[in-house]
Amino acid sequence: AQKITQTQPGMFVQEKEAVTLDCTYDTSDPSYGLFWYKQPSSGEMIFLIYQGSYDQQNATEGRYSLNFQKARKSANLVISASQLGDSAMYFCAMREDMNYGGSQGNLIFGKGTKLSVKP
Amino acid sequence: GAGVSQSPRYKVAKRGQDVALRCDPISGHVSLFWYQQALGQGPEFLTYFQNEAQLDKSGLPSDRFFAERPEGSVSTLKIQRTQQEDSAVYLCASSLRNRGVDQPQHFGDGTRLSIL
Repeated sequence: AQKITQTQPGMFVQEKEAVTLDCTYDTSDPSYGLFWYKQPSSGEMIFLIYQGSYDQQNATEGRYSLNFQKARKSANLVISASQLGDSAMYFCAMREDMNYGGSQGNLIFGKGTKLSVKP
Repeated sequence: GAGVSQSPRYKVAKRGQDVALRCDPISGHVSLFWYQQALGQGPEFLTYFQNEAQLDKSGLPSDRFFAERPEGSVSTLKIQRTQQEDSAVYLCASSLRNRGVDQPQHFGDGTRLSIL
């Protein structure tokens, strides 16, 4: 079974509008971390935002916020005021807690969503 | 710079040749990870080092893949007798500590490997 599911292969958004990228996850560990990365066409993976499973509040970093709904196991990324430079692949990833018999802390990635910002 | 550095940026090899990919992590980072990213897919875990110890190599696809980090800093991923299915982007990532789900991994720009 997929541990990270991103159901939107591609998304379009108008410049200056907000967009939500979906991510659902599957784990039985009580402790885990959720990450979003941006990968422009140049290839580098850029860390955007982190949400811990025990965090009470949704994470925010500038124009990025994470809509964390633990009971639904979803961690959607919200980008406000989209810019042309936001056009890229976006990956949701999870890191399970080593102490609970998870992996050695490697990230498990979804297949990504390609975001295109239209002028 | 202060980021993760990978070389070469691009590598073209003929099927059957051996290749070596280098990763220079952020100074002081304990953990080092290698991932393989096929075209149009998310990265997939290959192997993990804590300092010089290779603690997990469960993601290596075959015994043709070998990784080392002898002094706990620079790491090399070696692929012997390359096959066309080895064509992918190989990403290296490092993080400061080995424990803690909150540790972000910082990635290099990757090595794009093409096997002809």
